[in-house]
Amino acid sequence: EPEVTQTPSHQVTQMGQEVILRCVPISNHLYFYWYRQILGQKVEFLVSFYNNEISEKSEIFDDQFSVERPDGSNFTLKIRSTKLEDSAMYFCASSERTAYNSPLHFGNGTRLTVT
Amino acid sequence: QKEVEQNSGPLSVPEGAIASLNCTYSDRGSQSFFWYRQYSGKSPELIMSIYSNGDKEDGRFTAQLNKASQYVSLLIRDSQPSDSATYLCAVNIQATDKLIFGTGTRLQVFP
Repeated sequence: EPEVTQTPSHQVTQMGQEVILRCVPISNHLYFYWYRQILGQKVEFLVSFYNNEISEKSEIFDDQFSVERPDGSNFTLKIRSTKLEDSAMYFCASSERTAYNSPLHFGNGTRLTVT
Repeated sequence: QKEVEQNSGPLSVPEGAIASLNCTYSDRGSQSFFWYRQYSGKSPELIMSIYSNGDKEDGRFTAQLNKASQYVSLLIRDSQPSDSATYLCAVNIQATDKLIFGTGTRLQVFP
């Protein structure tokens, strides 16, 4: 069964550094997402991406965050200057159609630790 | 603020019993509802989606939706110890690409 793949599985970085989290969505999916989950808390929506542009973003997704689809397969999340509070599990997801009528399939996540 | 509410549990049931997990949501216009299972330290795994009022069955799982009461539930029949996990209710916010998750209900199935 096709799956969403994420790399790396664990990223440790120092406060103020830039990180890029990478994802390869399922190949025939058109919608891509980033969610995060701080330890012990709920899964939170960050951003959705369709047709090479952001379709929705949350209040969390401020100017420190950006997303990109640099080629036909990868989808990346960049955090420009990491803060301690950015430490979380970051999940990439994709769906065939909009989340309104198509379930999201999640990758295994990248655990980001900011020290 | 759109909310999805779940009892955090733990819900403890014996092996072979029916586990009943409940979820309420605040956005009356929501049309799409999903149940995910999340093992500790892992990613959410889709169990079921439901879009219409009533019941939807898939193997040992039945999702129930009542839009008038803004309530969605998941029944797990013949519960197994391997079903022990956190079950996340997720609701699509009307006319957006956004899913809002509840905090999840931790289910423990004991032998």
